[in-house]
Amino acid sequence: QKEVEQDPGPLSVPEGAIVSLNCTYSNSAFQYFMWYRQYSRKGPELLMYTYSSGNKEDGRFTAQVDKSSKYISLFIRDSQPSDSATYLCAVYGSSNTGKLIFGQGTTLQVKP
Amino acid sequence: EPEVTQTPSHQVTQMGQEVILRCVPISNHLYFYWYRQILGQKVEFLVSFYNNEISEKSEIFDDQFSVERPDGSNFTLKIRSTKLEDSAMYFCASKDKQETQYFGPGTRLLVL
Repeated sequence: QKEVEQDPGPLSVPEGAIVSLNCTYSNSAFQYFMWYRQYSRKGPELLMYTYSSGNKEDGRFTAQVDKSSKYISLFIRDSQPSDSATYLCAVYGSSNTGKLIFGQGTTLQVKP
Repeated sequence: EPEVTQTPSHQVTQMGQEVILRCVPISNHLYFYWYRQILGQKVEFLVSFYNNEISEKSEIFDDQFSVERPDGSNFTLKIRSTKLEDSAMYFCASKDKQETQYFGPGTRLLVL
């Protein structure tokens, strides 16, 4: 079983739509959950992270973790064409070295 | 805003040649990482480096790979004898004691 799984999409939505991006993970020991955004041929850029369960909001973005079902989500409200990118979920591995384990990434296109 | 920088942005080499990828992490960071991303695949952890030694390495990071922090600013990844399958984007990342890991823009390596 893969440690972090993410539907690669692509996902295409109209401008202004609410976007829901999701990942599942296998190891209940994971505590830190990250969302990165990656534009084509660029490095990943951290959007937000959450520790343990719960929600975290930052502007139009909300990250949600449900540890009981090992499910992490990123919601984007009022999506904009500039949000078009690949969104990567990641977790910190259990070894305490800072190793990040990434999902496959979901490619999002927001159409004007 | 401080950022991680990487050179070169692109590198083309012949199979069997040695390459050195260079990174300048954010200046007060203590933890350093290399990841790679083969085209169309997920970002994969290669190695973590702390206190002048490797703290964790993946099974990808075999004897042909090495890392070094030759001075107080640079962090390098050397691939001793490149193979075709080493063609990928290589990302350097760094972090301080907080959880946020910052990525560089990447070096695109093409092995012919």
